This record gives sequence, C-alpha cells and structure tokens, in this order.
Amino acid sequence: EDQVTQSPEALRLQEGESSSLNCSYTVSGLRGLFWYRQDPGKGPEFLFTLYSAGEEKEKERLKATLTKKESFLHITAPKPEDSATYLCAVQAGSGYSTLTFGKGTMLLVSP
Amino acid sequence: DTGVSQDPRHKITKRGQNVTFRCDPISEHNRLYWYRQTLGQGPEFLTYFQNEAQLEKSRLLSDRFSAERPKGSFSTLEIQRTEQGDSAMYLCASSSTGFKETQYFGPGTRLLVL
Repeated sequence: EDQVTQSPEALRLQEGESSSLNCSYTVSGLRGLFWYRQDPGKGPEFLFTLYSAGEEKEKERLKATLTKKESFLHITAPKPEDSATYLCAVQAGSGYSTLTFGKGTMLLVSP
Repeated sequence: DTGVSQDPRHKITKRGQNVTFRCDPISEHNRLYWYRQTLGQGPEFLTYFQNEAQLEKSRLLSDRFSAERPKGSFSTLEIQRTEQGDSAMYLCASSSTGFKETQYFGPGTRLLVL
C-alpha cells in the first residue's frame, strides 16, 4: 500500500527565515510526486511535479527536490503570504492515476 | 481559462437526507476524480472516471455513495441517507490523458451533516 508521511505537522517561521518541509514516501514504482498548496476552505493548488530522483523544480521562493525515498520543499526567505498547508502526494507507476496524499504541513509565516 | 468548478460550495443537511454535488471539469480534460478531505487530513481518493466510464472506486465509497458522469463532461456525487461521519470537504479534480498528467482541483463542497 502506498504511504506518504509529511513532517513537521506544523511549522512557524519568521518572515525571511528559510526552512524545509519533508515528504517521505513508499510506493510501488513512482510515476510522479506532487506538491500542492492549500489555503483554508479552498481546494489544493498545484505547485510542482517531480518524476525521478535528482530532479529539482523552482517557483519563486519555493524549490522542490526528490530522492528515491523522500522529497523536500525548500522555502527561501518566506513571506506571510506563503502561509498555507502544503500537501505532498504520490502517484504509483502501475494501475490507475489516483493520488495518495500525506496529511500536510501547516506553515505559518509571521511578519 | 476556467478551472474546475463545484456546486454547491457549502451544504448543510440533516442526518438521513440525500445530497448531490456537481463537478464541472476543465473542458478539455477527460479524466475526473473525486476525493474526500476531513479536518487535519490530506484528501482521500473516492472514485475516478475516464470519459463516462467509472474505472476505479475506493473501499471508502460505501453503497450509500454513487457517482456518475453521464456524457463524459460534468459529474455528480450523491450520498444517500447521510450520516454525521459524512461531514467533510468533497473535492473534484480533473486531468488530461497521459502518463504524466497533472490533477487540478476545484474549490470543493463543504458538507455538514447535523
């Protein structure tokens, strides 16, 4: 059974204080690893897809990396508007294309 | 560029009533997914359509739940005889066909069963 574990559950940062969120996974053949951002009361917003170990993607202050066992979402010099829950999900290589999500990391950036 | 839309955004119902939710996917997407999300948890897969065919159902989808996508466009999710444990956010996502497709989510329908 595919499993995704995210840590920490919650993270509080000061504006400008860089940090990383972790996503550990077990999956029967990884097709893709996805990062989403979710604001309270809204649906998940797509950020990145990573397909193979060693791959990196960047968007503004966010950078996602992937190894064979985990992914990191690095946040550089965060701003209060980066406050949200960040969700990690995996898609298995076999079967249909459903996503298995972790519980998310709730990030709060204080000014 | 219209994204995935869902209706209603909020629904309050009494235990035992039936409810129906609608999802309109991104127009060129032929894959449609339903997920359920409870407080403090990530979304959990419920069911998946490719065009009008329902190809996969989660064990979470009890016989009180039914989903349709009659013409391969919009989809409905019906819950019969609602229970308090059905209270959750119901999310719809869509994607194009392909091995490396991305799922784009709608705003969700928040259901509260009293």
